[in-house]
Amino acid sequence: ETGVTQTPRHLVMGMTNKKSLKCEQHLGHNAMYWYKQSAKKPLELMFVYNFKEQTENNSVPSRFSPECPNSSHLFLHLHTLQPEDSALYLCASSQTPRTVQETQYFGPGTRLLVL
Amino acid sequence: AQSVTQLDSQVPVFEEAPVELRCNYSSSVSVYLFWYVQYPNQGLQLLLKYLSGSTLVKGINGFEAEFNKSQTSFHLRKPSVHISDTAEYFCAVLNTGGFKTIFGAGTRLFVKA
Repeated sequence: ETGVTQTPRHLVMGMTNKKSLKCEQHLGHNAMYWYKQSAKKPLELMFVYNFKEQTENNSVPSRFSPECPNSSHLFLHLHTLQPEDSALYLCASSQTPRTVQETQYFGPGTRLLVL
Repeated sequence: AQSVTQLDSQVPVFEEAPVELRCNYSSSVSVYLFWYVQYPNQGLQLLLKYLSGSTLVKGINGFEAEFNKSQTSFHLRKPSVHISDTAEYFCAVLNTGGFKTIFGAGTRLFVKA
């Protein structure tokens, strides 16, 4: 499999549930990102990992907890979410976030609905 | 701080007509500029990018964009659209010393037969 994959593609959860989103990239990249895409709003960068180290946390609430065990895998752990957290969550990767060659490659996203 | 404004949230157009999707940005430093496309139920993919050099950039699927520094714009154009171009298009900016790409809110291009 090539590119950036995300599972699950769709997720419905209650506010008291705990779930995790998974992202895997097969491109040999060193940087991985989580974005939140809500209707009619710009993509919101949530987290950036570079060589497994978190380099950016864009004031994201603690009910979202990222994990990057290696450069190929990125998780987003979810707990006690709110209905306004319903959105499309996109994972992306790039060679590194600090070069002019930074083209980000996106996964298809996980469509999350919080009831 | 940087920002990106996509002036149109939706652009309906007939097949084979030309289209222009507008993007303006603000930044106090030099920037790199990108256009991404998102087809239904898919992630974003890069259409084209401007790093330096010629201000007219050609991308995939017949799209091109022109960087206009004085007007701080990076409008996307295609001379003749197809039904398959129906998608959401995102303009993005990255300052030359930074690492966080800022995206616009997107423009939904709807191509009608």
